[in-house]
Amino acid sequence: GAGVSQSPSNKVTEKGKDVELRCDPISGHTALYWYRQSLGQGLEFLIYFQGNSAPDKSGLPSDRFSAERTGGSVSTLTIQRTQQEDSAVYLCASSFGVADNEQFFGPGTRLTVL
Amino acid sequence: QQQVKQSPQSLIVQKGGISIINCAYENTAFDYFPWYQQFPGKGPALLIAIRPDVSEKKEGRFTISFNKSAKQFSLHIMDSQPGDSATYFCAATRGGYQKVTFGIGTKLQVIP
Repeated sequence: GAGVSQSPSNKVTEKGKDVELRCDPISGHTALYWYRQSLGQGLEFLIYFQGNSAPDKSGLPSDRFSAERTGGSVSTLTIQRTQQEDSAVYLCASSFGVADNEQFFGPGTRLTVL
Repeated sequence: QQQVKQSPQSLIVQKGGISIINCAYENTAFDYFPWYQQFPGKGPALLIAIRPDVSEKKEGRFTISFNKSAKQFSLHIMDSQPGDSATYFCAATRGGYQKVTFGIGTKLQVIP
């Protein structure tokens, strides 16, 4: 079946603009994760969803970042008033449930804030 | 706070050699330790994983060694091949808890 898909694959925006990044998880996966990958910073956990709820939002860097998931499927990560330090690759992953199940990653969205 | 420390950040190995990547963790509640492999332009993919009740796990040319008392684990790639050139991430989590903590990554280059 299809893997995790993300759109857009690349996004260039101007400082101060809002952006929305989309993730389509593997069908049937109840858990969905967002990570940020910056140069030399590894994978930074942002938020995860179990179904439509987000029990752990501790990784969101600021209140400019928010995420939602609807219908237990598609998720959107929104960054308001983007800053240059938001430039990174944003990765989405999904799994059947608990974290010791394999996480399947999408190809990521490369965000560049000018 | 970096709860999983990974080294080295870059590694060059000759074809046929052994690649070794080391990780150390702080949280003794961690009980699942996966390694992910990432090729350029792709998302990470699970390579191999271990739980602390075993000291070693081998899958083909890839072996995880785990030292619970030292809170350290490592990935060994035997007979390294140019196709193994990628970035490798160690990670840790605890059962039933969704957050996975990743190491900073190791960029491996295997030269012919």
